[in-house]
Amino acid sequence: DTAVSQTPKYLVTQMGNDKSIKCEQNLGHDTMYWYKQDSKKFLKIMFSYNNKELIINETVPNRFSPKSPDKAHLNLHINSLELGDSAVYFCASSQDRLVGDGYTFGSGTRLTVV
Amino acid sequence: GDSVTQMEGPVTLSEEAFLTINCTYTATGYPSLFWYVQYPGEGLQLLLKATKADDKGSNKGFEATYRKETTSFHLEKGSVQVSDSAVYFCALRGNNFNKFYFGSGTKLNVKP
Repeated sequence: DTAVSQTPKYLVTQMGNDKSIKCEQNLGHDTMYWYKQDSKKFLKIMFSYNNKELIINETVPNRFSPKSPDKAHLNLHINSLELGDSAVYFCASSQDRLVGDGYTFGSGTRLTVV
Repeated sequence: GDSVTQMEGPVTLSEEAFLTINCTYTATGYPSLFWYVQYPGEGLQLLLKATKADDKGSNKGFEATYRKETTSFHLEKGSVQVSDSAVYFCALRGNNFNKFYFGSGTKLNVKP
């Protein structure tokens, strides 16, 4: 039973399209995150929600819009996709915003923009 | 600001060799420190953590000791296996509890 699951696992799309990635956690955690991992494996936080409230919003183009319908779900919608958006996107969750026990990560969504 | 620096890879070792992956940090106050492992095609998994100076985190034969005097949290394993081949990330949870900082990752290749 997967703790943090995200779909799809792979996403290939053309420039200019709009796409969404979905994430769900069944751990009962309060806080969820989106991270972007580039081709050099560098991880950068994008957004964080705590109980449906946005608490971290890093410098990310406003083409990226997160949505959290409830504390178990955090989706990421991307408008007008660009080549530079190609990366692996990880969803993660933590017990609470203090992150005392670290994160639980999903297995990632590999986005390729062509 | 808070940050983590870890040695660049890749690190290539033979099976049963001793492993050290260096990690140093910059932070105000008393951060918590973590090591994560990412196997090919998977997400990151928590490997071990330490929350205060001189704490030793350990798991699956890996160890790391929180050294405040040298601001380090080096990862070690006495005898690596092929199955340990992965990317290892050092991470810090700073005083601003919302912020988590990852190092750039170190790829480990273990050859039979």
